[in-house]
Amino acid sequence: GQNIDQPTEMTATEGAIVQINCTYQTSGFNGLFWYQQHAGEAPTFLSYNVLDGLEEKGRFSSFLSRSKGYSYLLLKELQMKDSASYLCAVLDSNYQLIWGAGTKLIIKP
Amino acid sequence: IAGITQAPTSQILAAGRRMTLRCTQDMRHNAMYWYRQDLGLGLRLIHYSNTAGTTGKGEVPDGYSVSRANTDDFPLTLASAVPSQTSVYFCASSTKNTDTQYFGPGTRLTVL
Repeated sequence: GQNIDQPTEMTATEGAIVQINCTYQTSGFNGLFWYQQHAGEAPTFLSYNVLDGLEEKGRFSSFLSRSKGYSYLLLKELQMKDSASYLCAVLDSNYQLIWGAGTKLIIKP
Repeated sequence: IAGITQAPTSQILAAGRRMTLRCTQDMRHNAMYWYRQDLGLGLRLIHYSNTAGTTGKGEVPDGYSVSRANTDDFPLTLASAVPSQTSVYFCASSTKNTDTQYFGPGTRLTVL
Protein backbone atom coordinates (compact mmCIF):
# COMPACT_ATOMS: atom_id res chain seq x y z
CA GLY A 1 0.00 0.00 0.00
CA GLN A 2 0.90 3.64 -0.25
CA ASN A 3 1.68 5.58 2.89
CA ILE A 4 2.66 9.11 3.87
CA ASP A 5 3.65 9.69 7.50
CA GLN A 6 3.82 13.03 9.28
CA PRO A 7 3.64 13.96 12.96
CA THR A 8 0.09 14.76 14.00
CA GLU A 9 0.90 17.93 15.92
CA MET A 10 3.88 20.12 16.75
CA THR A 11 4.30 23.18 18.95
CA ALA A 12 6.87 25.94 18.47
CA THR A 13 7.58 29.43 19.73
CA GLU A 14 7.18 32.65 17.78
CA GLY A 15 10.49 33.65 16.19
CA ALA A 16 11.93 30.15 16.38
CA ILE A 17 12.62 27.51 13.70
CA VAL A 18 10.61 24.31 13.24
CA GLN A 19 11.16 21.27 11.02
CA ILE A 20 8.20 19.14 9.93
CA ASN A 21 9.17 15.70 8.67
CA CYS A 22 7.45 13.54 6.09
CA THR A 23 8.28 9.97 5.13
CA TYR A 24 6.66 8.19 2.24
CA GLN A 25 6.24 4.80 0.65
CA THR A 26 4.50 5.07 -2.69
CA SER A 27 4.20 3.25 -5.98
CA GLY A 28 6.54 5.45 -7.95
CA PHE A 29 7.62 9.01 -7.34
CA ASN A 30 7.05 12.03 -9.55
CA GLY A 31 7.57 14.78 -7.02
CA LEU A 32 6.67 15.85 -3.51
CA PHE A 33 4.51 18.82 -2.57
CA TRP A 34 3.99 20.77 0.64
CA TYR A 35 0.77 22.67 1.25
CA GLN A 36 -0.38 24.93 4.06
CA GLN A 37 -3.97 24.76 5.29
CA HIS A 38 -5.41 27.20 7.80
CA ALA A 39 -8.39 25.95 9.79
CA GLY A 40 -11.57 26.09 7.73
CA GLU A 41 -9.75 27.05 4.55
CA ALA A 42 -8.43 25.38 1.41
CA PRO A 43 -4.88 24.02 1.09
CA THR A 44 -2.46 26.46 -0.54
CA PHE A 45 0.73 25.46 -2.34
CA LEU A 46 4.05 26.04 -0.58
CA SER A 47 6.76 24.05 -2.34
CA TYR A 48 7.64 21.29 -4.78
CA ASN A 49 10.66 18.99 -4.82
CA VAL A 50 11.46 16.41 -7.47
CA LEU A 51 15.25 16.24 -7.15
CA ASP A 52 17.27 15.61 -4.01
CA GLY A 53 18.29 18.65 -2.07
CA LEU A 54 17.01 21.83 -0.54
CA GLU A 55 14.61 24.31 -2.13
CA GLU A 56 14.47 27.68 -0.39
CA LYS A 57 11.63 30.14 -0.69
CA GLY A 58 11.80 33.01 1.76
CA ARG A 59 11.19 31.81 5.32
CA PHE A 60 10.22 28.36 4.08
CA SER A 61 12.56 25.65 2.78
CA SER A 62 11.85 22.08 1.72
CA PHE A 63 14.29 19.19 1.53
CA LEU A 64 14.03 15.89 -0.31
CA SER A 65 15.95 12.60 -0.16
CA ARG A 66 14.46 10.16 -2.65
CA SER A 67 16.69 7.28 -1.54
CA LYS A 68 15.40 7.61 2.03
CA GLY A 69 11.78 8.39 1.09
CA TYR A 70 12.05 11.48 3.25
CA SER A 71 11.29 15.16 3.11
CA TYR A 72 11.10 18.00 5.57
CA LEU A 73 9.64 21.48 5.60
CA LEU A 74 11.66 24.05 7.51
CA LEU A 75 9.96 27.20 8.73
CA LYS A 76 12.17 30.02 10.03
CA GLU A 77 11.35 33.14 12.04
CA LEU A 78 7.99 31.73 12.98
CA GLN A 79 5.04 34.09 13.05
CA MET A 80 1.66 33.60 14.66
CA LYS A 81 0.08 33.44 11.20
CA ASP A 82 2.10 30.27 10.53
CA SER A 83 -0.25 28.40 12.85
CA ALA A 84 -1.84 25.98 10.41
CA SER A 85 -1.74 22.40 9.20
CA TYR A 86 1.05 21.44 6.82
CA LEU A 87 0.28 18.73 4.29
CA CYS A 88 2.83 16.53 2.54
CA ALA A 89 1.79 14.89 -0.74
CA VAL A 90 3.58 12.64 -3.24
CA LEU A 91 2.76 12.36 -6.93
CA ASP A 92 2.77 8.63 -7.59
CA SER A 93 3.38 6.56 -10.72
CA ASN A 94 -0.21 7.18 -11.89
CA TYR A 95 0.27 10.94 -11.45
CA GLN A 96 -2.15 10.99 -8.55
CA LEU A 97 -1.35 12.87 -5.36
CA ILE A 98 -1.15 10.73 -2.24
CA TRP A 99 -1.65 12.88 0.85
CA GLY A 100 -0.45 12.66 4.42
CA ALA A 101 -2.94 13.44 7.18
CA GLY A 102 -1.15 16.71 7.89
CA THR A 103 0.80 18.19 10.78
CA LYS A 104 -0.98 20.76 12.92
CA LEU A 105 1.54 23.43 13.92
CA ILE A 106 0.76 25.49 17.00
CA ILE A 107 2.76 28.69 17.49
CA LYS A 108 3.01 30.09 20.99
CA PRO A 109 4.03 33.68 21.79
CA ILE B 1 -14.35 34.85 -11.41
CA ALA B 2 -10.73 34.58 -10.35
CA GLY B 3 -9.32 31.12 -9.83
CA ILE B 4 -11.53 28.29 -8.76
CA THR B 5 -14.97 28.52 -7.15
CA GLN B 6 -17.25 25.99 -5.52
CA ALA B 7 -20.92 26.01 -4.63
CA PRO B 8 -22.61 25.68 -2.27
CA THR B 9 -20.35 26.73 0.62
CA SER B 10 -22.18 24.36 2.91
CA GLN B 11 -25.21 22.10 2.76
CA ILE B 12 -27.24 19.90 5.07
CA LEU B 13 -28.82 17.05 3.18
CA ALA B 14 -31.23 14.27 4.09
CA ALA B 15 -30.00 10.74 3.42
CA GLY B 16 -31.22 9.39 0.12
CA ARG B 17 -31.34 12.78 -1.60
CA ARG B 18 -29.43 13.60 -4.74
CA MET B 19 -26.91 16.42 -4.59
CA THR B 20 -24.57 18.09 -7.08
CA LEU B 21 -21.56 20.05 -5.93
CA ARG B 22 -20.40 22.62 -8.45
CA CYS B 23 -16.86 23.56 -9.36
CA THR B 24 -15.75 26.17 -11.90
CA GLN B 25 -12.30 27.42 -12.80
CA ASP B 26 -11.29 30.25 -15.09
CA MET B 27 -7.59 29.43 -15.39
CA ARG B 28 -8.03 27.22 -18.48
CA HIS B 29 -6.50 24.34 -16.58
CA ASN B 30 -6.75 20.98 -18.30
CA ALA B 31 -6.86 18.80 -15.19
CA MET B 32 -9.45 18.93 -12.41
CA TYR B 33 -9.97 16.90 -9.26
CA TRP B 34 -12.44 16.20 -6.48
CA TYR B 35 -11.20 15.35 -2.98
CA ARG B 36 -12.85 14.73 0.33
CA GLN B 37 -11.19 15.66 3.60
CA ASP B 38 -12.12 13.95 6.85
CA LEU B 39 -10.70 14.60 10.30
CA GLY B 40 -7.52 12.64 10.91
CA LEU B 41 -7.23 11.50 7.32
CA GLY B 42 -5.37 12.92 4.36
CA LEU B 43 -7.17 14.30 1.38
CA ARG B 44 -8.61 11.43 -0.64
CA LEU B 45 -9.16 11.61 -4.37
CA ILE B 46 -12.71 10.83 -5.49
CA HIS B 47 -12.58 11.45 -9.24
CA TYR B 48 -10.36 13.33 -11.63
CA SER B 49 -10.32 14.60 -15.19
CA ASN B 50 -7.10 15.09 -17.12
CA THR B 51 -8.84 16.98 -19.93
CA ALA B 52 -12.32 17.96 -21.03
CA GLY B 53 -14.35 14.94 -22.09
CA THR B 54 -12.44 12.43 -19.95
CA THR B 55 -12.80 11.34 -16.32
CA GLY B 56 -11.19 8.76 -14.07
CA LYS B 57 -11.75 7.14 -10.71
CA GLY B 58 -9.65 7.99 -7.70
CA GLU B 59 -9.21 6.24 -4.39
CA VAL B 60 -12.81 6.56 -3.13
CA PRO B 61 -15.20 6.83 -6.12
CA ASP B 62 -18.13 4.75 -4.88
CA GLY B 63 -21.36 6.72 -4.52
CA TYR B 64 -20.06 9.63 -6.59
CA SER B 65 -20.11 10.53 -10.27
CA VAL B 66 -18.58 13.35 -12.31
CA SER B 67 -18.75 14.82 -15.78
CA ARG B 68 -16.44 17.13 -17.72
CA ALA B 69 -18.41 18.60 -20.60
CA ASN B 70 -16.08 21.59 -20.94
CA THR B 71 -12.75 22.90 -19.61
CA ASP B 72 -14.18 25.14 -16.91
CA ASP B 73 -16.74 23.00 -15.06
CA PHE B 74 -16.41 19.77 -13.12
CA PRO B 75 -19.56 18.92 -11.11
CA LEU B 76 -19.64 16.12 -8.54
CA THR B 77 -22.92 14.28 -8.01
CA LEU B 78 -24.01 12.16 -5.08
CA ALA B 79 -26.82 10.03 -6.50
CA SER B 80 -28.26 8.98 -3.13
CA ALA B 81 -26.47 10.55 -0.19
CA VAL B 82 -25.49 8.51 2.87
CA PRO B 83 -24.23 9.75 6.27
CA SER B 84 -20.69 8.46 5.55
CA GLN B 85 -20.49 11.07 2.80
CA THR B 86 -20.51 13.80 5.42
CA SER B 87 -17.23 15.57 4.73
CA VAL B 88 -15.54 18.66 3.37
CA TYR B 89 -15.23 18.46 -0.40
CA PHE B 90 -12.49 20.29 -2.27
CA CYS B 91 -12.23 20.80 -5.99
CA ALA B 92 -8.78 21.46 -7.45
CA SER B 93 -7.25 22.13 -10.84
CA SER B 94 -3.83 22.11 -12.50
CA THR B 95 -2.47 22.95 -15.93
CA LYS B 96 -1.79 19.23 -16.45
CA ASN B 97 -1.78 16.19 -14.18
CA THR B 98 1.91 16.52 -13.28
CA ASP B 99 1.67 20.14 -12.10
CA THR B 100 0.78 21.97 -8.92
CA GLN B 101 -2.86 21.71 -7.93
CA TYR B 102 -4.82 24.78 -6.86
CA PHE B 103 -7.81 24.39 -4.61
CA GLY B 104 -11.25 25.88 -4.40
CA PRO B 105 -12.62 27.07 -1.04
CA GLY B 106 -14.47 23.80 -0.33
CA THR B 107 -18.02 22.64 0.36
CA ARG B 108 -18.96 21.42 3.82
CA LEU B 109 -21.60 18.70 3.38
CA THR B 110 -23.57 17.10 6.18
CA VAL B 111 -25.79 14.11 5.43
CA LEU B 112 -28.34 13.29 8.10
